[in-house]
Amino acid sequence: NAGVTQTPKFRILKIGQSMTLQCAQDMNHNYMYWYRQDPGMGLKLIYYSVGAGITDKGEVPNGYNVSRSTTEDFPLRLELAAPSQTSVYFCASRDKVSGPYEQYFGPGTRLTVT
Amino acid sequence: QKEVEQNSGPLSVPEGAIASLNCTYSDRGSQSFFWYRQYSGKSPELIMSIYSNGDKEDGRFTAQLNKASQYVSLLIRDSQPSDSATYLCAVSNRNTGFQKLVFGTGTRLLVSP
Repeated sequence: NAGVTQTPKFRILKIGQSMTLQCAQDMNHNYMYWYRQDPGMGLKLIYYSVGAGITDKGEVPNGYNVSRSTTEDFPLRLELAAPSQTSVYFCASRDKVSGPYEQYFGPGTRLTVT
Repeated sequence: QKEVEQNSGPLSVPEGAIASLNCTYSDRGSQSFFWYRQYSGKSPELIMSIYSNGDKEDGRFTAQLNKASQYVSLLIRDSQPSDSATYLCAVSNRNTGFQKLVFGTGTRLLVSP
C-alpha cells in the first residue's frame, strides 16, 4: 500500500513550457486534491475532485487544468508555465466513507519556472 | 479576517517543556479540525483530529477545541528536538460544503536540547 504518490519529485521548466504533474493513490479514496505551497505560506487549494469524472476549482485555479478519468489518478496540467507557478505542489486524498475529512498527502513536487 | 489564523512563530521551547500552539477560525459552522506536522522540505502529516468540544489526547499530543470561542489548540508534552517542525491547523467548514480543508499558514516550533 503506497498511499499517495507523486511524480516527478523535482522539475525545472522554462517560461511558456507545459507539463503534467502526476498523482496516484491506491486507497480507493473518492476525494482527491491539488495544493500549492509557497515559502512561508499555507496550502492553497488549486483543484479538487469528489470522484471519477467530477472536478471543481479551488482557491487558485488559474493557469492549471485537471482531469479525473479513474479513481486512482488525478493529474495536474500546467499550460504556459510562468514564474508565479514556482512552488511546491502537493496532492492529497480522502476517503468519503471513513475518517471524515482527514486528508492524506503525497510527498510533493518541487517546481521551478525560469 | 483570515478564515484560519495562526501565529507564524517561531515558538521556542526547551526540551522537556510543554509547547502550546494555537489556532483561531472565523466560521462558526466549522465542524472538523485538524493538526498537521510538516518538517522542512516534507509533506504535511496528520497528527491529530478533533470534532467535539473538549480535549483529545494521543500520546504526548493533546488537541483542545472550544467552539464557543472559535479556537483550537495543540499541546505537546515533553517536547523533543524531533518535534521541531511547522504545525498547520486545518478546518472543514460549512462554506466549503465540508468537502475541503482551509489551512492556516502554520506555526514554526523550535525545541532546543
